[in-house]
Amino acid sequence: DTEVTQTPKHLVMGMTNKKSLKCEQHMGHRAMYWYKQKAKKPPELMFVYSYEKLSINESVPSRFSPECPNSSLLNLHLHALQPEDSALYLCASSQLRGIDYTGELFFGEGSRLTVL
Amino acid sequence: DAKTTQPPSMDCAEGRAANLPCNHSTISGNEYVYWYRQIHSQGPQYIIHGLKNNETNEMASLIITEDRKSSTLILPHATLRDTAVYYCIVIQGAQKLVFGQGTRLTINP
Repeated sequence: DTEVTQTPKHLVMGMTNKKSLKCEQHMGHRAMYWYKQKAKKPPELMFVYSYEKLSINESVPSRFSPECPNSSLLNLHLHALQPEDSALYLCASSQLRGIDYTGELFFGEGSRLTVL
Repeated sequence: DAKTTQPPSMDCAEGRAANLPCNHSTISGNEYVYWYRQIHSQGPQYIIHGLKNNETNEMASLIITEDRKSSTLILPHATLRDTAVYYCIVIQGAQKLVFGQGTRLTINP
């Protein structure tokens, strides 16, 4: 199984809503990532988890709250978002060699978020 | 700051080899060159990576110059399904995978 599964594929939410994006992998990868991608732009790194602990936060606003409940799951909790947060949110996973990330990331298909 | 420079767009005829260049003149000795592609509305897909030697897999070949300051990704027999944005990324160990602007490759019938 070399898949990273993201749900939901599409999400529409209001600025006062609370919602979550979910990501799952069963490849035994111990690094998991959230990227944000706006239209016609490259993916931008948001968060990295290593061994279920947050290792990188790219100064992401607190209205985005990541969670890694176990080695297979990664969540992104959303609260009080703004319309400019509308984007494709991509989850990825990779192996770790000690503390080093390997550069071969497996990406999911993404969750397309629209904030009204 | 981006460590790589790629042309913004390229065209290639179906069935021909597509050669995508990447400049990485500031690459350090322990940094790898990775290539990804992103087909429209899909997540990025790993293609290939290398350190010094040329590499080949079922998807593509990677040619790295002897001074390691540039590389070329070769898709030997391009098909319409190879139309995508191709990203060249330089990374080492604990560094973050940061995407540059990439090259938008269009395969024409």
